[in-house]
Amino acid sequence: AQKITQTQPGMFVQEKEAVTLDCTYDTSDQSYGLFWYKQPSSGEMIFLIYQGSYDEQNATEGRYSLNFQKARKSANLVISASQLGDSAMYFCAMSVTGANNLFFGTGTRLTVIP
Amino acid sequence: GAVVSQHPSRVICKSGTSVKIECRSLDFQATTMFWYRQFPKQSLMLMATSNEGSKATYEQGVEKDKFLINHASLTLSTLTVTSAHPEDSSFYICSARSGATIANEKLFFGSGTQLSVL
Repeated sequence: AQKITQTQPGMFVQEKEAVTLDCTYDTSDQSYGLFWYKQPSSGEMIFLIYQGSYDEQNATEGRYSLNFQKARKSANLVISASQLGDSAMYFCAMSVTGANNLFFGTGTRLTVIP
Repeated sequence: GAVVSQHPSRVICKSGTSVKIECRSLDFQATTMFWYRQFPKQSLMLMATSNEGSKATYEQGVEKDKFLINHASLTLSTLTVTSAHPEDSSFYICSARSGATIANEKLFFGSGTQLSVL
């Protein structure tokens, strides 16, 4: 069975500072993908970043980077230079071979303080 | 990027009525669409997977007679909540996939529908 764990229900960060959102996962599959999505108060799910299990380099997308530690089964999201618009819910998710859908964590609510 | 349009964004209805929610892929053909339900401050729970032209596959615990899913074309899937009750009040969000296998950004989400049943 697949499981995604996000242990931080809420996080605060000062504007312009960096913040790390934690995500650990559990799967017996060797091939899987890890995603981060942002969900603002409007409800839409915005794709941020993706890391494949065989990717050797950590994924980066602008101010977002994914700290992938395969042995620890963690895929933490790092947001650099936080902006007020980053305040939202952030979900970690996983895909595995043979499954159509994504498995989501419970989310972390990030609040950026001016 | 690809766009998935979900309508309506918000609906309030009386108990016992049925509500239809539409999910459209605007600039790609969605071979598979997914319907999720999200309770306040909780994660997304997959309700069902629909493939164009075939019956939807429902997750365990989801009543298929209550949540009717139709995927009549490669660009449209609908979720009908039949005889809605207050406990059906929730945020419903669809997603659509363009490729044969799930990979990075090829899963696109609609903007969600907040259903409130009085």
